[in-house]
Amino acid sequence: GENVEQHPSTLSVQEGDSAVIKCTYSDSASNYFPWYKQELGKRPQLIIDIRSNVGEKKDQRIAVTLNKTAKHFSLHITETQPEDSAVYFCAPGDNAGNMLTFGGGTRLMVKP
Amino acid sequence: EAQVTQNPRYLITVTGKKLTVTCSQNMNHEYMSWYRQDPGLGLRQIYYSMNVEVTDKGDVPEGYKVSRKEKRNFPLILESPSPNQTSLYFCASSPYRAPMNTEAFFGQGTRLTVV
Repeated sequence: GENVEQHPSTLSVQEGDSAVIKCTYSDSASNYFPWYKQELGKRPQLIIDIRSNVGEKKDQRIAVTLNKTAKHFSLHITETQPEDSAVYFCAPGDNAGNMLTFGGGTRLMVKP
Repeated sequence: EAQVTQNPRYLITVTGKKLTVTCSQNMNHEYMSWYRQDPGLGLRQIYYSMNVEVTDKGDVPEGYKVSRKEKRNFPLILESPSPNQTSLYFCASSPYRAPMNTEAFFGQGTRLTVV
């Protein structure tokens, strides 16, 4: 199965700073690269995703970049706000597999 | 409203007493799955189903059963719960038969405590 690692496991930033979370995967067949956000006490929800034919995707303050050669993709959050505080998960996948494997999660804390 | 609904949200039970957590989706999704979430261990897949009457084991299936008699429902059954099954459980669904490249929609979660 896919081995997925996220770094760092915790990240503390000052409001207004940028945050970057990296996800490394093992399956070279992976072609879908989503990031989920889970606020405290809530369900995980998709915030951004990218497919392997695109190197970068941006949606307002969040962006995802992909390096297929190195088998990693990253979540970038600019101008962080307290409401960005949450746990973020990556879950790379391919359309041949049946299981969804999540990274271990990154707890982001944005200090006002 | 498109959603995945789990019940109950909270459950405290005793060791060995059979329980069922229900999961229902109204989006006509083929793929449904169950996860448990424990501190420091992220989300781990228990079972999944790619269609009616088709189920398969995930990473941590021991002590759990599932069934998929209808497309919309995917209950999680603990025949004899033990304290190490105390956890937060999520049901999720995805469209298409290839779930790995589409968004997963999660239920609200069920916090289970086994004493």
